[in-house]
Amino acid sequence: EAGVAQSPRYKIIEKRQSVAFWCNPISGHATLYWYQQILGQGPKLLIQFQNNGVVDDSQLPKDRFSAERLKGVDSTLKIQPAKLEDSAVYLCASSLGTNSAAEAFFGQGTRLTVV
Amino acid sequence: GDSVTQMEGPVTLSEEAFLTINCTYTATGYPSLFWYVQYPGEGLQLLLKATKADDKGSNKGFEATYRKETTSFHLEKGSVQVSDSAVYFCASYTGGFKTIFGAGTRLFVKA
Repeated sequence: EAGVAQSPRYKIIEKRQSVAFWCNPISGHATLYWYQQILGQGPKLLIQFQNNGVVDDSQLPKDRFSAERLKGVDSTLKIQPAKLEDSAVYLCASSLGTNSAAEAFFGQGTRLTVV
Repeated sequence: GDSVTQMEGPVTLSEEAFLTINCTYTATGYPSLFWYVQYPGEGLQLLLKATKADDKGSNKGFEATYRKETTSFHLEKGSVQVSDSAVYFCASYTGGFKTIFGAGTRLFVKA
């Protein structure tokens, strides 16, 4: 079974630039999550989709972050404009349903460095 | 609000030593508790879980018991191997569609 695919693996941008990350979840998984993992900290949920609808985006900085999941399959997370404090690993995860939210399968992540 | 606190790392052990990584939680309800492991360069993987008090989760020689009286879910392994070197995350899920992760504990195992 193919796992959660993310791209790119690494990205370096200057502050005020924009960047986009892509995630393809495991086939059949209705729930998709984006987490931000700052160095030395645990993952923090940014946004959660159930199919193509948003379930929770309470911790998403909506003035600069946006995410979409068209057709309920793959998803993109965008940052515009980026700040230095956005440097982190962005993890995508998917699960069969919200009742098993922690039984999620994670991608390898995208490491973003903002300079 | 709900939170998860883990012992700070890094933890450095020799091969075959006994491992304990402490984890405590605060929650308004009755959470399910989890341990995830992150090997170098990889994503997080679910290691074990327990969904109610006194449950014991186990996998790959690791164990953790859900202790409601001490609000703890400590991770243990009787004999660690070099291949166990990774970052370990404790997490809780109390519904509301949100999993809360601890800060992670890095484990180094020396041959």
